[in-house]
Amino acid sequence: TQLLEQSPQFLSIQEGENLTVYCNSSSVFSSLQWYRQEPGEGPVLLVTVVTGGEVKKLKRLTFQFGDARKDSSLHITAAQPGDTGLYLCAGASDYKLSFGAGTTVTVRA
Amino acid sequence: DVKVTQSSRYLVKRTGEKVFLECVQDMDHENMFWYRQDPGLGLRLIYFSYDVKMKEKGDIPEGYSVSREKKERFSLILESASTNQTSMYLCASSPIGGTNYGYTFGSGTRLTVV
Repeated sequence: TQLLEQSPQFLSIQEGENLTVYCNSSSVFSSLQWYRQEPGEGPVLLVTVVTGGEVKKLKRLTFQFGDARKDSSLHITAAQPGDTGLYLCAGASDYKLSFGAGTTVTVRA
Repeated sequence: DVKVTQSSRYLVKRTGEKVFLECVQDMDHENMFWYRQDPGLGLRLIYFSYDVKMKEKGDIPEGYSVSREKKERFSLILESASTNQTSMYLCASSPIGGTNYGYTFGSGTRLTVV
């Protein structure tokens, strides 16, 4: 059983469209992180959110941490082919990170 | 450019072989981790270490062991490789308290056991 549930599992959209990826859990985390992984490479950290209700923006990417610190979302505005990849959320509790199974995003030109 | 380096990108080993996966980081990080990644299951923690010669079991330690003789190097050992250990193995590091601030990952080792 996955501690963090990501949805959807797969997402295919046209360039210029918007998309949202969700990360949900019944557990409370001290922080939540989002990573992007490209084929054949390790995950690369995009952002860390720490405070309940926190919103962070990274160019066209907007990350939100739920008020109860159990869930998060990633929104991409006007997606581009370069946004294609596997998006992973990870929750920190104690001294460990627990990862979701990931959302594979494909942006078609 | 700071990095975590895994010694092999691809490995093919036979069932029953002893396999060593090596990981080196140049960031002077205290914490190091080994994960395996399988489709639909995400990343699962095998072992981690928060100091030289220290190790802690993660969520799926069975069939694996680790060694950390130097701060910068963390090795994962498959004592007797089996086909169900075919997977992508990822090494990561973080500073003390770094769990809240993100890990740096290596590029991964794709291990196939035949």
